[in-house]
Formats: sequence, C-alpha cells, structure tokens
Amino acid sequence: DTGVSQNPRHKITKRGQNVTFRCDPISEHNRLYWYRQTLGQGPEFLTYFQNEAQLEKSRLLSDRFSAERPKGSFSTLEIQRTEQGDSAMYLCASSLLGKRGGNEQFFGPGTRLTVL
Amino acid sequence: AQKITQTQPGMFVQEKEAVTLDCTYDTSDPSYGLFWYKQPSSGEMIFLIYQGSYDQQNATEGRYSLNFQKARKSANLVISASQLGDSAMYFCAMRESRGNNRLAFGKGNQVVVIP
Repeated sequence: DTGVSQNPRHKITKRGQNVTFRCDPISEHNRLYWYRQTLGQGPEFLTYFQNEAQLEKSRLLSDRFSAERPKGSFSTLEIQRTEQGDSAMYLCASSLLGKRGGNEQFFGPGTRLTVL
Repeated sequence: AQKITQTQPGMFVQEKEAVTLDCTYDTSDPSYGLFWYKQPSSGEMIFLIYQGSYDQQNATEGRYSLNFQKARKSANLVISASQLGDSAMYFCAMRESRGNNRLAFGKGNQVVVIP
C-alpha cells in the first residue's frame, strides 16, 4: 500500500495560464475527492468521484475548474485561466465505499499552487 | 453556516503531558461521523480517529481518544503523553449521511509540544 500520491508537489504559474494536477489514489479505493486549502483554513470540498462518475461538485468549483477520473483510477484537476485567488494547496483523498467503520479518507501530500 | 467550530488559540504543551483540543459541530442529520486529522508542517493530512454518531463508546486509537458528548455536539480530541512529533495543526471534520461522504473541516488547532 503506497498511499495517495499527487503530482506535482509544487506548481508556480503566471496568471492566465492553465494548470493540471494529478492524483493517484490507494489502489483498491473507489472514491476519490478533491479539496482546496488556503492559508489558515481547513480543507474545503471541491468534488468527488465514485469510480469514474463525478457525483458531486461544490459551488467553489467554478467553470474554470474541471476534474476527471477517466478509468476510475487516477484523477486530474485542471484549472484554466488561473487567477491569483486560485493560489492554494490542492489535496486529493481516497476512500473505500463499503468499508466498515468511518470510510475514512486518506489524503495525499497535496499540490501547492502559486499563481503570480 | 459553519458546521465545525474550533476556536482555541495556538497551544503550547509540555512533553509527556496530555492535551485536549475542542471541537463543536452543527448538524440536523441523525447519522454522521466525526474525524480528527493531523497536519504537520509537511502538509499531509493524517487520519487519527473516527467517531460515529451512533457509537455507544468513545473512540480510542493508541494515544488518541475522542471525548464524544452528543447532546452538547462536541467531539474533543485528547492526546495523552504528548511527544515532540505531535507538534502540528489538528483538524476536526464531519461527514453527514446526506453529504455524499464529503468532509466539512474546522479551521484547526495549532499545537506545539515543548521539551
């Protein structure tokens, strides 16, 4: 079990550019989540997938944001025309539906985005 | 409306002492789960402990225990025998059964363990 991995770990971009982040969940986990965390705050939910289906999107996820999980394994989060307000840590988590207990989510190390 | 409230200022704790981190929550959902995560300076969120709303006993995981008071809607985390490696931000989170498994987090508590 290698845990949740995210790439890149850091991304610096200029305003207006597009960026894409990747998340590889724990292999047997069928649920995958994206959160955003700004300085001094807890993570805020963005969207989640069950297998390849995107089941919920937060109102935080503007039209410039899109997420995919094409084969129900890894996921990508793309931000188009980045703005300085997009600067944050983007966290990915996964969990196993049907697991007894809390279905706790396991987080990756995050991708820190800085928009100049 | 904020679902999770963590209002304690940053805390300094002596090594080997216990520390209690406060968390109150707000929900009308009869079925929910409460979680605590640790976030060290490296940034990764580390799952610590879970309490289900219907669980009769308080959850424990090693040095972590959760003081669940359902009527007061509080879920305080107790860390016993603090270690230097416990220095981190600690986040309380809630999952509602109507919430499609998404977690709602509080703003966190900063803990610094001093030798």
